Amino acid sequence: NAGVTQTPKFQVLKTGQSMTLQCAQDMNHEYMSWYRQDPGMGLRLIHYSVGAGITDQGEVPNGYNVSRSTTEDFPLRLLSAAPSQTSVYFCASSYLGHDQPQHFGDGTRLSIL
Amino acid sequence: QQPVQSPQAVILREGEDAVINCSSSKALYSVHWYRQKHGEAPIFLMILLKGGEQKGHDKISASFNEKKQQSSLYLTASQLSYSGTYFCGTEPSSSNTGKLIFGQGTTLQVKP
Repeated sequence: NAGVTQTPKFQVLKTGQSMTLQCAQDMNHEYMSWYRQDPGMGLRLIHYSVGAGITDQGEVPNGYNVSRSTTEDFPLRLLSAAPSQTSVYFCASSYLGHDQPQHFGDGTRLSIL
Repeated sequence: QQPVQSPQAVILREGEDAVINCSSSKALYSVHWYRQKHGEAPIFLMILLKGGEQKGHDKISASFNEKKQQSSLYLTASQLSYSGTYFCGTEPSSSNTGKLIFGQGTTLQVKP
């Protein structure tokens, strides 16, 4: 049972490049989400999904796109990377419901030069 | 919209107690608590639901004051393994999806 798997673990991009961060879970969770973590800012919600075909914006969605074609996968796309998007990105998943804990992946450390 | 955690940082000696607070300006349905070690993913600690009871396991417990939209995490007789950053995640009452908005974190350092 792999849980939540994020790839890649590290990435360096140049400004203006595009990239997709991958997130996959094998727990049949309906809810999936993306957060970015910056020093002193905590975890900020970028986008989330409550099931295949359904996505919505979080607190800081600008510059990021998502789609959810399957229950298992929830990729995050940076269309034109900017230095302000340098961060650690975490994917999390859970069953739907108010009392369900979120399971986090190990994170992707992204640097944009 | 982000909940506010206090204090931002705390340093303890082994065996001492600590309280971390989480305050929201919005009505909440639930509060989650997570701990993150440096360079690792956040790990779930506990959930408190509106109308629910105070939770706890081992020497870590938490409470949720619905009237004040505040939650507190209590760490009793702290151990070295308690070191890390603690985050509260809040679910607004207006949400029916379970999405969480996290606070900025409280860094706890336990020294021998």
